Amino acid sequence: EVQLVESGGGLVKPGGSLTLSCAASGFSFNDAWMSWVRQAPGRGLEWVGLSKSKADGATTDYLTAVKGRFAVSRDASKNTLYLQMNSLKSEDTAVYHCVIGGHYFGRWGQGTLVTVSS
Amino acid sequence: EIVLTQSPGTLSLSPGERATLSCRASQSVSSYLAWYQQKPGQTPRLLMYDGSNRATGIPDRFGCSGSGTDFTLTISRLEPEDFAVYYCQQYGSSPWTFGQGTKVEI
Repeated sequence: EVQLVESGGGLVKPGGSLTLSCAASGFSFNDAWMSWVRQAPGRGLEWVGLSKSKADGATTDYLTAVKGRFAVSRDASKNTLYLQMNSLKSEDTAVYHCVIGGHYFGRWGQGTLVTVSS
Repeated sequence: EIVLTQSPGTLSLSPGERATLSCRASQSVSSYLAWYQQKPGQTPRLLMYDGSNRATGIPDRFGCSGSGTDFTLTISRLEPEDFAVYYCQQYGSSPWTFGQGTKVEI
């Protein structure tokens, strides 16, 4: 069974940092493109960034608003995807979902809530 | 950045009726468009991808059409479980973007 379990969310002050983790199981993590998608409370969906598989170059891509502040990475030995978030702003407050896919998103984790507030 | 505009914002229909949802892109995305359904308290569910392909397990009352800048999601006969918010998403040009959603309500 495919499972994506996010962790690491919480309350952080503006300008602070946080790292989210996504433990993946039930599929070939090393061969999968993975993404992060966020949803602010009561709002719509926003793609944040992606990590291509090693076979496809292991490169990343990001939403313009987070470029230079966020970084997606993965640890193949742990089947874990990460989202390092720096210089956080109030507008980054959202539930962050780990998803399978780099273009469209077929499987979603339940998400972890990040609240940026002083 | 490509902006996706969904219309209408809210669609009020009854079970058994046909629903037609629109998604318009600010520039061509070819057929690189997906549709999702989201119910309250749940994660989004992929319905359609590559413009016209139904995702695994999606019933055939869901259909979509379009390419370029204009796309339509059709639900031929609404079932009670179809009342939800629907989002379109483009992956024709980075950054990938979502529409603001259409709520289908009873």
